[in-house]
Amino acid sequence: AQRVTQPEKLLSVFKGAPVELKCNYSYSGSPELFWYVQYSRQRLQLLLRHISRESIKGFTADLNKGETSFHLKKPFAQEEDSAMYYCALRSATNKLIFGTGTLLAVQP
Amino acid sequence: KAGVTQTPRYLIKTRGQQVTLSCSPISGHRSVSWYQQTPGQGLQFLFEYFSETQRNKGNFPGRFSGRQFSNSRSEMNVSTLELGDSALYLCASSLDRGIGDTQYFGPGTRLTVL
Repeated sequence: AQRVTQPEKLLSVFKGAPVELKCNYSYSGSPELFWYVQYSRQRLQLLLRHISRESIKGFTADLNKGETSFHLKKPFAQEEDSAMYYCALRSATNKLIFGTGTLLAVQP
Repeated sequence: KAGVTQTPRYLIKTRGQQVTLSCSPISGHRSVSWYQQTPGQGLQFLFEYFSETQRNKGNFPGRFSGRQFSNSRSEMNVSTLELGDSALYLCASSLDRGIGDTQYFGPGTRLTVL
């Protein structure tokens, strides 16, 4: 079965602390994985995709096929990082399968 | 380039009515997908259109339908509305270039069924 699991509904950290948003997936084949972010009152927007191996707004994510994980990390959280984060997997039929999302709250 | 646009942004309907939502993709994008977002079920795939053909379908009843026009604009229709259809309906477009393809989302249409 194709599935994306984000075990934490809420992650609360203080400004300057490291952040790790967990994402595990279940997929037979080579997965394409994404992180999308939804800031308050804004549209869902792409943050990262594993194929690009890039760093956006200080966030990075590494695909670990052995652990079937694609965790999102940032060394020093900022208040403006507070948002809803969704991990997603793109199926062979171009369907995005989303996790349930993690609300990141960065406290001052 | 202008982003994905959706109209209307808000809708209030009553049970039993039908509704049509519209989506204009990013210029040059030929694939349009629709998702339903609710607090309980999260983001769920409805269907995808490419070159005016439904290419992919999620697990939703037949009351949910859609179509795509020759200019890639897409509409989604929900007939015989139920209270549980209240949700944010998101449209996403992509180039459909295979590996590395990225879906870009519109702001959504907030549907409330009374």
